[in-house]
Amino acid sequence: DGGITQSPKYLFRKEGQNVTLSCEQNLNHDAMYWYRQDPGQGLRLIYYSQIVNDFQKGDIAEGYSVSREKKESFPLTVTSAQKNPTAFYLCASSEFRGGDSPLHFGNGTRLTVT
Amino acid sequence: GENVEQHPSTLSVQEGDSAVIKCTYSDSASNYFPWYKQELGKRPQLIIDIRSNVGEKKDQRIAVTLNKTAKHFSLHITETQPEDSAVYFCAAHTGGFKTIFGAGTRLFVKA
Repeated sequence: DGGITQSPKYLFRKEGQNVTLSCEQNLNHDAMYWYRQDPGQGLRLIYYSQIVNDFQKGDIAEGYSVSREKKESFPLTVTSAQKNPTAFYLCASSEFRGGDSPLHFGNGTRLTVT
Repeated sequence: GENVEQHPSTLSVQEGDSAVIKCTYSDSASNYFPWYKQELGKRPQLIIDIRSNVGEKKDQRIAVTLNKTAKHFSLHITETQPEDSAVYFCAAHTGGFKTIFGAGTRLFVKA
């Protein structure tokens, strides 16, 4: 599914640095999401956006920030305030604002902070 | 708060046997329940979903059942094959417009 592109695939950063993960979709979907995946913990919701210029915190938003200036783009910034940033990050989109439609995922970005 | 519990965390079956994964959800306003399959190193992909006005849905070897009263839903895979080996996630779309995932079940199908 080439509809959602996440870049880069692997990202390495030093502790104390902010880093931005890119997510672009060409599916014309209204809603976009960021999830964090850790071993044994499933997917946890960081932020989500139902419409341009609007977004809401998910369950683990502390230490992260997002923007939704364009329908196609939903970048995630991992700030130095995030205490355990090393993880696999997945971006997703869904067709409708209400969100009760399937999520389409990107290939993910694996972030390692040392 | 809103959460989804999923069991078992690991499931090993012989090729040809059936596999069942169970989930419970907490938000009674949840109305959409998708299941995703994630193969090693790949993105999660939707395999089947069910809405709250339906009790059961089937697609070839895969079926999902929903009990709204008990807030339970289950995935059934029949005639399992080695290519079914993967991690399976249940999810619930809540009244707050969020999709919450279970912790996942790692399924091993032994040939």
